[in-house]
Amino acid sequence: AAGVIQSPRHLIKEKRETATLKCYPIPRHDTVYWYQQGPGQDPQFLISFYEKMQSDKGSIPDRFSAQQFSDYHSELNMSSLELGDSALYFCASSQDRGWNTEAFFGQGTRLTVV
Amino acid sequence: KQEVTQIPAALSVPEGENLVLNCSFTDSAIYNLQWFRQDPGKGLTSLLLIQSSQREQTSGRLNASLDKSSGRSTLYIAASQPGDSATYLCAGRGDGSSNTGKLIFGQGTTLQVKP
Repeated sequence: AAGVIQSPRHLIKEKRETATLKCYPIPRHDTVYWYQQGPGQDPQFLISFYEKMQSDKGSIPDRFSAQQFSDYHSELNMSSLELGDSALYFCASSQDRGWNTEAFFGQGTRLTVV
Repeated sequence: KQEVTQIPAALSVPEGENLVLNCSFTDSAIYNLQWFRQDPGKGLTSLLLIQSSQREQTSGRLNASLDKSSGRSTLYIAASQPGDSATYLCAGRGDGSSNTGKLIFGQGTTLQVKP
Protein backbone atom coordinates (compact mmCIF):
# COMPACT_ATOMS: atom_id res chain seq x y z
CA ALA A 1 0.00 0.00 0.00
CA ALA A 2 1.20 3.50 -0.79
CA GLY A 3 2.49 5.51 2.14
CA VAL A 4 3.29 9.15 2.79
CA ILE A 5 6.51 10.06 1.05
CA GLN A 6 8.79 12.78 2.32
CA SER A 7 11.89 14.14 0.67
CA PRO A 8 14.66 14.59 1.32
CA ARG A 9 15.18 12.21 4.23
CA HIS A 10 18.16 14.15 5.50
CA LEU A 11 19.16 17.76 4.96
CA ILE A 12 22.09 19.76 6.24
CA LYS A 13 21.96 23.53 5.91
CA GLU A 14 23.93 26.44 7.24
CA LYS A 15 22.46 29.22 9.35
CA ARG A 16 20.52 31.79 7.36
CA GLU A 17 20.07 29.43 4.43
CA THR A 18 16.74 28.27 3.02
CA ALA A 19 15.33 24.74 3.01
CA THR A 20 12.39 23.19 1.18
CA LEU A 21 10.78 19.99 2.44
CA LYS A 22 8.39 18.02 0.30
CA CYS A 23 5.51 15.74 1.19
CA TYR A 24 3.53 13.43 -1.07
CA PRO A 25 0.35 12.23 0.67
CA ILE A 26 -1.33 8.90 0.22
CA PRO A 27 -3.44 8.95 -2.99
CA ARG A 28 -6.96 10.29 -2.44
CA HIS A 29 -6.01 11.84 0.89
CA ASP A 30 -7.11 15.46 0.85
CA THR A 31 -5.56 16.68 4.11
CA VAL A 32 -1.91 17.25 4.93
CA TYR A 33 -0.39 18.14 8.30
CA TRP A 34 3.15 19.28 9.09
CA TYR A 35 4.80 18.61 12.43
CA GLN A 36 8.15 19.48 13.99
CA GLN A 37 9.77 17.17 16.52
CA GLY A 38 12.79 18.40 18.44
CA PRO A 39 15.15 16.02 20.25
CA GLY A 40 13.30 14.27 23.07
CA GLN A 41 10.12 16.22 22.34
CA ASP A 42 6.69 15.24 21.14
CA PRO A 43 5.64 16.33 17.64
CA GLN A 44 4.40 19.90 17.50
CA PHE A 45 1.78 20.93 14.97
CA LEU A 46 2.92 23.52 12.45
CA ILE A 47 0.30 23.86 9.74
CA SER A 48 -2.34 21.91 7.82
CA PHE A 49 -4.09 21.99 4.47
CA TYR A 50 -7.42 20.67 3.35
CA GLU A 51 -8.25 20.57 -0.34
CA LYS A 52 -5.28 22.83 -1.13
CA MET A 53 -6.35 25.55 1.30
CA GLN A 54 -4.68 26.26 4.62
CA SER A 55 -6.98 24.87 7.28
CA ASP A 56 -5.13 25.42 10.54
CA LYS A 57 -1.97 26.99 11.84
CA GLY A 58 0.03 26.13 14.91
CA SER A 59 3.33 27.29 16.29
CA ILE A 60 4.90 27.94 12.93
CA PRO A 61 7.51 30.73 12.75
CA ASP A 62 6.92 33.57 10.31
CA ARG A 63 10.11 32.43 8.56
CA PHE A 64 8.30 29.28 7.50
CA SER A 65 5.64 29.01 4.84
CA ALA A 66 3.86 26.11 3.24
CA GLN A 67 1.42 25.31 0.52
CA GLN A 68 -0.45 22.41 -0.99
CA PHE A 69 -0.42 22.05 -4.74
CA SER A 70 -3.03 20.91 -7.25
CA ASP A 71 -1.70 17.33 -7.10
CA TYR A 72 -2.08 17.48 -3.28
CA HIS A 73 1.61 17.34 -2.55
CA SER A 74 2.81 19.91 -0.05
CA GLU A 75 6.00 21.85 0.50
CA LEU A 76 7.31 23.46 3.65
CA ASN A 77 9.66 26.36 2.98
CA MET A 78 11.98 27.46 5.74
CA SER A 79 14.04 30.61 5.38
CA SER A 80 16.71 32.30 7.49
CA LEU A 81 17.40 29.00 9.19
CA GLU A 82 18.47 29.03 12.81
CA LEU A 83 20.28 26.39 14.84
CA GLY A 84 17.06 25.81 16.77
CA ASP A 85 15.29 24.71 13.59
CA SER A 86 17.26 21.46 13.68
CA ALA A 87 14.61 18.78 14.15
CA LEU A 88 12.66 15.99 12.55
CA TYR A 89 9.91 17.31 10.32
CA PHE A 90 6.96 15.03 9.71
CA CYS A 91 4.18 15.20 7.22
CA ALA A 92 0.94 13.30 7.72
CA SER A 93 -2.07 12.78 5.51
CA SER A 94 -5.64 11.70 6.02
CA GLN A 95 -9.01 11.80 4.40
CA ASP A 96 -11.67 14.37 5.11
CA ARG A 97 -9.84 16.26 7.89
CA GLY A 98 -9.79 13.26 10.14
CA TRP A 99 -13.43 12.73 10.89
CA ASN A 100 -12.97 9.22 12.21
CA THR A 101 -10.19 8.47 9.75
CA GLU A 102 -6.63 7.49 10.45
CA ALA A 103 -3.67 9.82 10.00
CA PHE A 104 -0.59 8.33 8.40
CA PHE A 105 2.85 9.79 8.84
CA GLY A 106 5.84 9.84 6.55
CA GLN A 107 9.31 8.80 7.68
CA GLY A 108 10.27 12.41 8.24
CA THR A 109 12.99 14.76 7.10
CA ARG A 110 15.85 15.25 9.50
CA LEU A 111 17.04 18.84 9.19
CA THR A 112 20.36 19.79 10.69
CA VAL A 113 21.31 23.44 10.74
CA VAL A 114 25.02 24.11 11.29
CA LYS B 1 -7.36 23.99 23.91
CA GLN B 2 -6.73 20.25 23.89
CA GLU B 3 -3.91 19.00 26.08
CA VAL B 4 -2.72 15.40 26.11
CA THR B 5 -0.69 13.85 28.90
CA GLN B 6 0.95 10.43 29.08
CA ILE B 7 1.95 8.53 32.17
CA PRO B 8 4.48 7.12 32.86
CA ALA B 9 7.20 8.91 30.90
CA ALA B 10 9.33 5.77 30.94
CA LEU B 11 8.72 2.13 31.76
CA SER B 12 11.02 -0.86 32.01
CA VAL B 13 9.59 -4.36 32.26
CA PRO B 14 10.85 -7.93 31.89
CA GLU B 15 9.92 -9.85 28.79
CA GLY B 16 6.54 -11.54 28.94
CA GLU B 17 4.90 -9.05 31.25
CA ASN B 18 1.56 -7.44 30.44
CA LEU B 19 1.58 -3.65 30.70
CA VAL B 20 -0.65 -0.60 30.45
CA LEU B 21 0.24 2.81 29.10
CA ASN B 22 -1.96 5.73 30.07
CA CYS B 23 -3.09 8.76 28.12
CA SER B 24 -5.37 11.56 29.30
CA PHE B 25 -6.88 14.47 27.42
CA THR B 26 -8.61 17.62 28.59
CA ASP B 27 -11.29 18.16 25.93
CA SER B 28 -13.74 15.30 25.51
CA ALA B 29 -14.93 16.65 22.15
CA ILE B 30 -12.30 14.67 20.27
CA TYR B 31 -13.06 12.98 16.97
CA ASN B 32 -10.81 10.06 17.68
CA LEU B 33 -7.62 9.00 19.39
CA GLN B 34 -4.64 7.32 17.80
CA TRP B 35 -1.77 5.42 19.32
CA PHE B 36 1.60 5.51 17.59
CA ARG B 37 4.92 3.79 17.97
CA GLN B 38 8.18 5.59 17.34
CA ASP B 39 11.61 3.99 17.26
CA PRO B 40 14.57 6.29 17.98
CA GLY B 41 15.05 8.81 15.19
CA LYS B 42 12.39 7.17 13.08
CA GLY B 43 8.91 7.95 11.87
CA LEU B 44 5.55 7.46 13.56
CA THR B 45 3.83 4.15 12.97
CA SER B 46 0.10 4.08 13.59
CA LEU B 47 -0.90 1.25 15.90
CA LEU B 48 -4.56 1.75 16.64
CA LEU B 49 -7.29 4.25 15.93
CA ILE B 50 -10.25 4.52 18.28
CA GLN B 51 -13.14 6.49 16.91
CA SER B 52 -15.15 8.75 19.17
CA SER B 53 -18.09 6.34 19.15
CA GLN B 54 -15.97 3.32 20.07
CA ARG B 55 -14.72 2.16 23.44
CA GLU B 56 -11.88 -0.10 22.37
CA GLN B 57 -9.86 -1.48 19.50
CA THR B 58 -7.65 -4.54 19.28
CA SER B 59 -4.77 -5.46 17.04
CA GLY B 60 -2.81 -8.58 17.87
CA ARG B 61 -1.30 -8.19 21.33
CA LEU B 62 -2.43 -4.57 21.53
CA ASN B 63 -5.70 -3.33 22.96
CA ALA B 64 -6.60 0.33 23.26
CA SER B 65 -9.56 1.72 25.17
CA LEU B 66 -11.20 5.12 25.12
CA ASP B 67 -13.35 6.73 27.80
CA LYS B 68 -14.34 10.17 26.58
CA SER B 69 -16.28 11.07 29.70
CA SER B 70 -13.22 10.68 31.89
CA GLY B 71 -10.78 11.92 29.25
CA ARG B 72 -8.70 8.77 29.28
CA SER B 73 -7.28 6.18 26.96
CA THR B 74 -5.13 3.17 27.73
CA LEU B 75 -2.91 0.99 25.58
CA TYR B 76 -2.59 -2.55 26.85
CA ILE B 77 0.31 -4.65 25.58
CA ALA B 78 0.07 -8.35 26.30
CA ALA B 79 3.06 -10.66 26.66
CA SER B 80 5.61 -7.94 25.98
CA GLN B 81 8.66 -8.70 23.83
CA PRO B 82 12.03 -6.95 23.47
CA GLY B 83 10.92 -5.86 20.00
CA ASP B 84 8.18 -3.80 21.66
CA SER B 85 10.83 -1.45 23.03
CA ALA B 86 10.05 2.00 21.60
CA THR B 87 8.31 5.25 22.46
CA TYR B 88 4.53 5.09 22.39
CA LEU B 89 2.63 8.27 21.66
CA CYS B 90 -1.06 8.93 21.91
CA ALA B 91 -2.68 11.73 19.95
CA GLY B 92 -6.13 13.21 20.27
CA ARG B 93 -7.72 14.49 17.12
CA GLY B 94 -9.92 17.59 17.17
CA ASP B 95 -11.47 19.42 20.09
CA GLY B 96 -14.33 21.76 20.85
CA SER B 97 -12.58 24.77 19.33
CA SER B 98 -11.18 23.25 16.14
CA ASN B 99 -12.56 20.97 13.44
CA THR B 100 -9.43 20.76 11.31
CA GLY B 101 -8.48 17.31 12.52
CA LYS B 102 -5.00 18.15 13.72
CA LEU B 103 -3.49 15.67 16.15
CA ILE B 104 -2.38 16.83 19.57
CA PHE B 105 0.31 14.55 20.94
CA GLY B 106 1.21 13.52 24.44
CA GLN B 107 4.82 13.49 25.51
CA GLY B 108 5.10 9.75 25.00
CA THR B 109 6.01 6.75 27.12
CA THR B 110 9.40 5.20 26.43
CA LEU B 111 9.14 1.46 26.94
CA GLN B 112 12.04 -0.89 27.45
CA VAL B 113 11.37 -4.63 27.51
CA LYS B 114 14.29 -6.56 28.92
CA PRO B 115 15.04 -10.09 27.66
